[in-house]
Amino acid sequence: DGGITQSPKYLFRKEGQNVTLSCEQNLNHDAMYWYRQDPGQGLRLIYYSQIVNDFQKGDIAEGYSVSREKKESFPLTVTSAQKNPTAFYLCASSTGLAGDLGPGRYQETQYFGPGTRLLVL
Amino acid sequence: RKEVEQDPGPFNVPEGATVAFNCTYSNSASQSFFWYRQDCRKEPKLLMSVYSSGNEDGRFTAQLNRASQYISLLIRDSKLSDSATYLCVVAGTSYDKVIFGPGTSLSVIP
Repeated sequence: DGGITQSPKYLFRKEGQNVTLSCEQNLNHDAMYWYRQDPGQGLRLIYYSQIVNDFQKGDIAEGYSVSREKKESFPLTVTSAQKNPTAFYLCASSTGLAGDLGPGRYQETQYFGPGTRLLVL
Repeated sequence: RKEVEQDPGPFNVPEGATVAFNCTYSNSASQSFFWYRQDCRKEPKLLMSVYSSGNEDGRFTAQLNRASQYISLLIRDSKLSDSATYLCVVAGTSYDKVIFGPGTSLSVIP
């Protein structure tokens, strides 16, 4: 079955510790994304990657880092610099953008993994 | 003004009722529109894309009004299983221009 997997389901972080969240997809999607969701708020984009070995900061990248060494994998590291890391982290993938350049271009559907809940001890 | 706004609800409706959600967006250059459903403590799942001409999928109907910059979702004959949070998603022409609304909570009551 094709899909996106995230691990672990729950993760506990101690003060000053870096932790890494795993995201793997076997959908052959080029684009991958990391979002953070806080209670009562919409998803906020942390990082995205259009293609292997390339990634870009989203709206709230401070305190986070990513890598994209393989098409299937897009791990997210929550560093000790992220002062409020408690949240629900969601990874997504899509085939990317479609259509012609400019105003004719549009986003393809994003598919989400089951998420990782990060809690601070 | 927030980029994507939704009435947070909660909407509490009896089984069999018809319920409608609206979502407004501020960026007139937005190109793609979606409704996602998110169950409690789960990931969002695509409910339907929203096309310019409006589209229907069973009991669900989505409409887009570009002039007024809003999209809507109509659910007919509500089922208990429809209880969830419904996220409006508006996307532009670049990877970082996918904006999720805060969601509208629906509870269908027996």
